[in-house]
Amino acid sequence: EVQLVESGGGLIQPGGALRLSCAASGFAVRSYYIIWVRQAPGGGLEWVSVIYTDGSTYYADSVKGRFTISRDNSKNTLYLQMNSLRADDTAVYYCARGVDNYAAFDYWGQGTLVTVSS
Amino acid sequence: EILLTQSPGTLSLSPGERATLSCRASQSVSINNLAWYQQKPGQAPRLLVYGASSRATGLPDRFSGSGSGTDFTLTISRLEPEDFAVYYCQHYDSSSRYTFGQGTKLEIK
Repeated sequence: EVQLVESGGGLIQPGGALRLSCAASGFAVRSYYIIWVRQAPGGGLEWVSVIYTDGSTYYADSVKGRFTISRDNSKNTLYLQMNSLRADDTAVYYCARGVDNYAAFDYWGQGTLVTVSS
Repeated sequence: EILLTQSPGTLSLSPGERATLSCRASQSVSINNLAWYQQKPGQAPRLLVYGASSRATGLPDRFSGSGSGTDFTLTISRLEPEDFAVYYCQHYDSSSRYTFGQGTKLEIK
């Protein structure tokens, strides 16, 4: 059974750093492209970052230079390192698995809440 | 950057009725790059349609996607109580950027 489980969220002060994890089971993270998407309280979905099977990575302009996506194939886990956090980074963060040959995401984690506040 | 505009913002219908949700792109997009999701409160999004018209595994056939170019539609032929939720369209462009529409809330009338 395919599963994605996010962890690492919490309350952090502005300017702080946090690392989110996305543990996968039922498939190999190296074999699929995977994204991070966030959702601010009461808001819509916002794409954050993507990592492809070849290791290439891309970021939304709002997080470029502050966030880094990576994966550990041996642990079958994806990460999102978030630095210089701001209040507007407050959101539930989801990881999701891409569908081969399509720009769509078929399995999602349950999300982890990041709150940036002093 | 391609923007996606969903309409209406809120759709009020009764169970058994037909729902038609629209997603308009600011430029022509590839159908392979257009998807639809459903999200219920407190839950992660659920993939409904990918490639503009392909139903996700296990999705009831009352859901259908269509469209091309700049105009895409998600149709729910006969609403069931569990279909009332927020629906998002999503696109990918050649700049490796993923974009979501702002969502349509489907509520019970």
